[in-house]
Amino acid sequence: DGGITQSPKYLFRKEGQNVTLSCEQNLNHDAMYWYRQDPGQGLRLIYYSQIVNDFQKGDIAEGYSVSREKKESFPLTVTSAQKNPTAFYLCASSLLRDFTGELFFGEGSRLTVL
Amino acid sequence: DAKTTQPPSMDCAEGRAANLPCNHSTISGNEYVYWYRQIHSQGPQYIIHGLKNNETNEMASLIITEDRKSSTLILPHATLRDTAVYYCIVSVLISSGSARQLTFGSGTQLTVLP
Repeated sequence: DGGITQSPKYLFRKEGQNVTLSCEQNLNHDAMYWYRQDPGQGLRLIYYSQIVNDFQKGDIAEGYSVSREKKESFPLTVTSAQKNPTAFYLCASSLLRDFTGELFFGEGSRLTVL
Repeated sequence: DAKTTQPPSMDCAEGRAANLPCNHSTISGNEYVYWYRQIHSQGPQYIIHGLKNNETNEMASLIITEDRKSSTLILPHATLRDTAVYYCIVSVLISSGSARQLTFGSGTQLTVLP
């Protein structure tokens, strides 16, 4: 089945450690996105990428980094510079040409920093 | 992108129609109305979108007022599985070659009661 796979689903880390969240899609979508969600809040865009080897900052990029070496993969690193990293992280993808407004989301990764 | 206003929460009896309102009084002529929903601790799911005309698909109907300043998402026969946060988003449909960032606000928590 086509879809987006995020891993791990749950992650615990000590303060000061970098953490990398995985996002893989087999939908052949050009665009991929990372969102952050805090309890009771909406989604905020961290980074997005339209093509391989290119990505753009979203609204809250500070303390995060991404790479897009393959079309299928868009990993997110939460660095020690991120002041409040505990959150629910969601990866999404979409068509670029013929985009209809439909984003396809993964199941999310819940990061807790102790 | 235009701002949207949604009630923070609503209840609906199982089997009845759920009508979720959204105000977007500053919507521009080229902005679409999108609806997504998010079941607890999962990624959001696209439901429907429209520009001017009413739209219907297998999940829901979207009714947009003639002046386009508000819309209503209708779930015709709500089930317990429809309990979720529903997001109303207004955004320009992108042209080919640029990624779209849909802004997810706090949404409406719909609780379907048995």
